[in-house]
Amino acid sequence: VQMLQSGAEVKKPGASVKVSCETSGYTFINYGVTWVRQAPGQRPEWMGWINPYSGDSDTAQKFRDRVTMTTDTSTSTAYMELRRLRSDDTAVYYCAREVYSGPSGNEYWGQGTLVTVSS
Amino acid sequence: EIVMTQSPATLSVSPGERATLSCRASQSVGSNLAWYQQRPGQSPRLLIYGALTRATGIPARFSGSGSATEFTLTISSLQSEDFAVYFCQQYSHWPRGTFGQGTKVEIK
Repeated sequence: VQMLQSGAEVKKPGASVKVSCETSGYTFINYGVTWVRQAPGQRPEWMGWINPYSGDSDTAQKFRDRVTMTTDTSTSTAYMELRRLRSDDTAVYYCAREVYSGPSGNEYWGQGTLVTVSS
Repeated sequence: EIVMTQSPATLSVSPGERATLSCRASQSVGSNLAWYQQRPGQSPRLLIYGALTRATGIPARFSGSGSATEFTLTISSLQSEDFAVYFCQQYSHWPRGTFGQGTKVEIK
């Protein structure tokens, strides 16, 4: 199982960023994809989860109006778009897959995408 | 929202010694608890899920215990590669994926 994320981004406040997560080594539609971010020196923060089979998603309350998670089953790729960026959105963003197709802890992780928000 | 609290914040341990890390949930999460190790500059690594099941490839010196609101991660004999930050995470209640603030295990 591999999860390969897109490269680092530098954005200005108010802009949007879209992070991709290309998966391989398993059947993409059988497992949800979780998005987690981690600001420097902070604990990881769960952002949301998407089911590639149904398209159903669940987003943490604080991100509901700024985050869109999508998937492309033809390329086994998940995407997370964060809009109206602020300086406190500076963090490493990770995609991850659970042990099995249900809440179970995230066993496989992407390498992380550093998003820096600065004017 | 469930709050996960880890203790201690920092644990100083000599190589070869045992380390015991604690995680407390503000309400019961059953056995829906995971432990992760994170080394500097790396992604989190799943150690334990279901409170006590080791993930694939995790050495037997790592063990998890507990249920409901009190959980423990034990590293039986610390190796040099085990000095890192450890996070617990509940996945029982929404938002599913609440992490504790972490315990840093450092060399004494």
